[in-house]
Amino acid sequence: EADIYQTPRYLVIGTGKKITLECSQTMGHDKMYWYQQDPGMELHLIHYSYGVNSTEKGDLSSESTVSRIRTEHFPLTLESARPSHTSQYLCASSEMGALSHNTGELFFGEGSRLTVL
Amino acid sequence: KNQVEQSPQSLIILEGKNCTLQCNYTVSPFSNLRWYKQDTGRGPVSLTIMTFSENTKSNGRYTATLDADTKQSSLHITASQLSDSASYICVVSDRGSTLGRLYFGRGTQLTVWP
Repeated sequence: EADIYQTPRYLVIGTGKKITLECSQTMGHDKMYWYQQDPGMELHLIHYSYGVNSTEKGDLSSESTVSRIRTEHFPLTLESARPSHTSQYLCASSEMGALSHNTGELFFGEGSRLTVL
Repeated sequence: KNQVEQSPQSLIILEGKNCTLQCNYTVSPFSNLRWYKQDTGRGPVSLTIMTFSENTKSNGRYTATLDADTKQSSLHITASQLSDSASYICVVSDRGSTLGRLYFGRGTQLTVWP
């Protein structure tokens, strides 16, 4: 069992609301990631972090923002949710590989299913 | 363009039968290939990770193969169980960037019937 936790698991909110999806891991991993996944589609990287105070945008453009002020915590925030943000959001973490370009085994949380009405 | 293609898109088999899922990729330069199992509504769980030098790796009833020359991988499931019903995702990592970027397939949806 991976020690990475996401809350809430399910969230239904109205348009324009601000939401924060929480992600915490107890494995001491430096690398953390946020992926977006729609039904039948591949995972898309929207944010990643190499460590405290390090955040980068991923391949898929997203209006969300992230922060990393503690190693174990990597929350994702949407300032004003829209129906187009409806999706499954998956948080993951990994150890740094022996070489900087190696990504170690990826551990995923259970996901947060967001529905914006 | 770096891509990962999986086939079939979906598969239905009877409990106790074997099956093989396919993954073709164009990712270069290649670093490693992973197979994940994702139950409905859950996060993916790692099954195997194979590097360039490995051509087979097993995890219980799951056996993955890799042919780095033809850029193909397969995941073989032996004596399927109802709990094997899930999406199986092939993920390929490159080594051409500092991120060690991961390329995800869309998955094969496996359904095991009693």
